[in-house]
Amino acid sequence: QKEVEQDPGPLSVPEGAIVSLNCTYSNSAFQYFMWYRQYSRKGPELLMYTYSSGNKEDGRFTAQVDKSSKYISLFIRDSQPSDSATYLCAMSALYSSGGSNYKLTFGKGTLLTVNP
Amino acid sequence: NAGVTQTPKFQVLKTGQSMTLQCAQDMNHEYMSWYRQDPGMGLRLIHYSVGAGITDQGEVPNGYNVSRSTTEDFPLRLLSAAPSQTSVYFCASSPYGLAGGSYNEQFFGPGTRLTVL
Repeated sequence: QKEVEQDPGPLSVPEGAIVSLNCTYSNSAFQYFMWYRQYSRKGPELLMYTYSSGNKEDGRFTAQVDKSSKYISLFIRDSQPSDSATYLCAMSALYSSGGSNYKLTFGKGTLLTVNP
Repeated sequence: NAGVTQTPKFQVLKTGQSMTLQCAQDMNHEYMSWYRQDPGMGLRLIHYSVGAGITDQGEVPNGYNVSRSTTEDFPLRLLSAAPSQTSVYFCASSPYGLAGGSYNEQFFGPGTRLTVL
């Protein structure tokens, strides 16, 4: 079983729809949970991050972490065509003692298209 | 600030050729990393550096070399290119580490698309 599983999609929705993107993970040592957005032929950019279980909201975006179920989600409200991109979940865990040595693991990414 | 810059944007190599992918950042970040992104595989860490003169292997280091002589630059060398190294390569930098989050946000470059024939 891979450490991080993410459905690659593609996901196509009409403008204004609520989008739900999800990842599951198997490593209970993951501490930080992130969502990156990657536009076509560009590098990923950090969209949201959370440290603990619960919800975090930023405008139209809500990140949700459920550590007990090893499940994270990203919700996009009132989706716009400009939200069309690949969304990557990422998680990090401390892998060695004596310092801040973290390992960052990415999901495969979900391709989202929002149609006008 | 230019952020993280990568050159070239595109490259085609023949099997067995060597080349260097360039990466530079102007944010004075200590941590720099190289990733490759393949369809269906996500981003995988090749090598990383925690400061000038210090490098370490990531998840898929074979066939690649790195060095870090300055804070700003972190080149990736392909020793003898193979078709399996056809990929999109991203360089990233972060101020304090690889944990992610706001203090350790990774800033990615625009990528280099490499094809090995």
